[in-house]
Amino acid sequence: DQQVKQNSPSLSVQEGRISILNCDYTNSMFDYFLWYKKYPAEGPTFLISISSIKDKNEDGRFTVFLNKSAKHLSLHIVPSQPGDSAVYFCAASAGSGGSNYKLTFGKGTLLTVNP
Amino acid sequence: GAVVSQHPSRVICKSGTSVKIECRSLDFQATTMFWYRQFPKQSLMLMATSNEGSKATYEQGVEKDKFLINHASLTLSTLTVTSAHPEDSSFYICSARDLSLGPLYGYTFGSGTRLTVV
Repeated sequence: DQQVKQNSPSLSVQEGRISILNCDYTNSMFDYFLWYKKYPAEGPTFLISISSIKDKNEDGRFTVFLNKSAKHLSLHIVPSQPGDSAVYFCAASAGSGGSNYKLTFGKGTLLTVNP
Repeated sequence: GAVVSQHPSRVICKSGTSVKIECRSLDFQATTMFWYRQFPKQSLMLMATSNEGSKATYEQGVEKDKFLINHASLTLSTLTVTSAHPEDSSFYICSARDLSLGPLYGYTFGSGTRLTVV
C-alpha cells in the first residue's frame, strides 16, 4: 500500500516557466513532509520541507504548499532552470509512535527543464 | 553541512558471496541510521532502521538474516548482504539522522552503492 503517491512519473517544462510537482498521502499520522532531488546513481539531496502546522514554506525558487484536508502537497519551482532536471521525491514522516521519524517516499517524478 | 560517506559506490560480486557496505556520518553523531533499497524507476524502499548499540528494526518482508545491519558506533553503520543472489542486485542507500537538526532537516543521505551480483 503506497502511503505517499506521486502520480506523475514525469514532467517537462520550458526554462523560465513554473514547475509544479504534486504529492498525495494517505496516512493522517504524517506530520513532516520533505522534498528531495536525486540524480541517477547518487543519493537524494534535501530541497525543502514543511511541517503540518504550516501550509506554505518558501526557500528561494522553491515553495512547498501543504493542504492537510486534501492530504496533498506540491512543490513549485520558479523560474525553472535546466539544472533542475532530476528526479524529485516527496517523503513524509510521523513523529509519534516510536517511529524514529522514518521517511516514507513516493515513487518520484522525473522533471525535465528544456532550454 | 552534514555529510554522510557511503562506500563502496559500486561493487560486483559472485553469487553466494557476502558484501559489506559502510555508511559513515562525517561531522555529526547519528544515533539513527536508515538503509534503503531502490529498484530502477522505483521509490526508495526502507529496509531497516538501526540505532546505535541496539538491534536493527527491519521492515516487513526484509530478511534480517540476509541483510545484516550493525551500528556499533555513533558514526558508522554497516549493511552486509549475505549469500548474495542476482535478485539482490540493486542500489542501496543509507541515511543518517542528525537529532540536533530536528525532523524537518536532519536526514542526510549517502551517495549510494550499486550492487551487482553475477
